[in-house]
Amino acid sequence: EAGVTQFPSHSVIEKGQTVTLRCDPISGHDNLYWYRRVMGKEIKFLLHFVKESKQDESGMPNNRFLAERTGGTYSTLKVQPAELEDSGVYFCASSPPSPNTGELFFGEGSRLTVL
Amino acid sequence: QKEVEQDPGPLSVPEGAIVSLNCTYSNSAFQYFMWYRQYSRKGPELLMYTYSSGNKEDGRFTAQVDKSSKYISLFIRDSQPSDSATYLCAMSASNFNKFYFGSGTKLNVKP
Repeated sequence: EAGVTQFPSHSVIEKGQTVTLRCDPISGHDNLYWYRRVMGKEIKFLLHFVKESKQDESGMPNNRFLAERTGGTYSTLKVQPAELEDSGVYFCASSPPSPNTGELFFGEGSRLTVL
Repeated sequence: QKEVEQDPGPLSVPEGAIVSLNCTYSNSAFQYFMWYRQYSRKGPELLMYTYSSGNKEDGRFTAQVDKSSKYISLFIRDSQPSDSATYLCAMSASNFNKFYFGSGTKLNVKP
């Protein structure tokens, strides 16, 4: 069974440019999460999808970040325009529908460097 | 104040040592407590999962939760070089809507 896959693994862009990160969750996992780790800091919650609906997006830093989950399958996270402080590793995680055991299955992350 | 506090280490121990990793938290709504292991350039993987207070053992690993003190621990017995990784504690309230992570403790087990 394929795990959570993320693309690209690493992206280097200049301040002001746009980047789109993609996440393909494990098939059948209704819950999809985006997290971010800035260097030296903890992994922080960005948002949570249940199928195609945003359950909680309280962790999104500002309106430069837009997440979508088309048809409840894969998800994209767009940063437009990117700023220096957006650099970090963006993790996607998925988990099965209820009963939810609380186990998150993580992808390997997309490393974003904004110059 | 951070929701979850974790000593970042690094922690270096000889092979065979007992390792103790800890986290404290402030939110009394947390009911589910997890430990994830993350190898370099990989995503975190669930190691242990505990509901509410108590102990849970799985092979060389023991997870402890003390909700009265808002303190959780992970013990690794007979540590191996392959245990060298970053260990992250994570917590969630009952709805699993949001998980809060510690900053991770980097462990190095020397052969």
